[in-house]
Amino acid sequence: DTGVSQNPRHKITKRGQNVTFRCDPISEHNRLYWYRQTLGQGPEFLTYFQNEAQLEKSRLLSDRFSAERPKGSFSTLEIQRTEQGDSAMYLCASSLVRGGVADTQYFGPGTRLTVL
Amino acid sequence: AQSVSQHNHHVILSEAASLELGCNYSYGGTVNLFWYVQYPGQHLQLLLKYFSGDPLVKGIKGFEAEFIKSKFSFNLRKPSVQWSDTAEYFCAVIPNTNAGKSTFGDGTTLTVKP
Repeated sequence: DTGVSQNPRHKITKRGQNVTFRCDPISEHNRLYWYRQTLGQGPEFLTYFQNEAQLEKSRLLSDRFSAERPKGSFSTLEIQRTEQGDSAMYLCASSLVRGGVADTQYFGPGTRLTVL
Repeated sequence: AQSVSQHNHHVILSEAASLELGCNYSYGGTVNLFWYVQYPGQHLQLLLKYFSGDPLVKGIKGFEAEFIKSKFSFNLRKPSVQWSDTAEYFCAVIPNTNAGKSTFGDGTTLTVKP
């Protein structure tokens, strides 16, 4: 399967703990996106990378959240000092963008986070 | 900032009925428009997209959507639904000036009764 993969698929943690999720995009894709989705809502944009550069972060992304894409391939999303409100599905997507023109984003299966 | 509104949260249809799901967006500039589908237990996947040209676009599985610029709408249609179309459908907008930031609607759950 050469699609977008995410690990772990499920994470249960206690409030106050740190968690890290990983996303492996489709290999030739230069853009990588992180979203959060809660029940009854659509994916909510968090941040995106063009190669290794983080180009935009949502204002909703508190300073407890940090994302990296060190070599322009896989990415990690870390949440520090988790809160119960962080419980959600975290989605990763990737796309191949040329000349800044938007194109189809391919989504991974997501990581479901539960904060107790 | 852009926003997307999907008016129908849950639609229930019988097989062979026609489908139309509404999507309206709010943004002052040129946008690219998408419909994604999420079947039970599966990833989000693209149904169809509009970038430019013919405002009536066709996607997979017999779906189509029409972009009406004057109404800021991009409604999804299918003339005859099947039980296998049961899924959640999301409309998304990406502005041309910021190709990284997409905005999704809250989705419409479609249930097709056999």
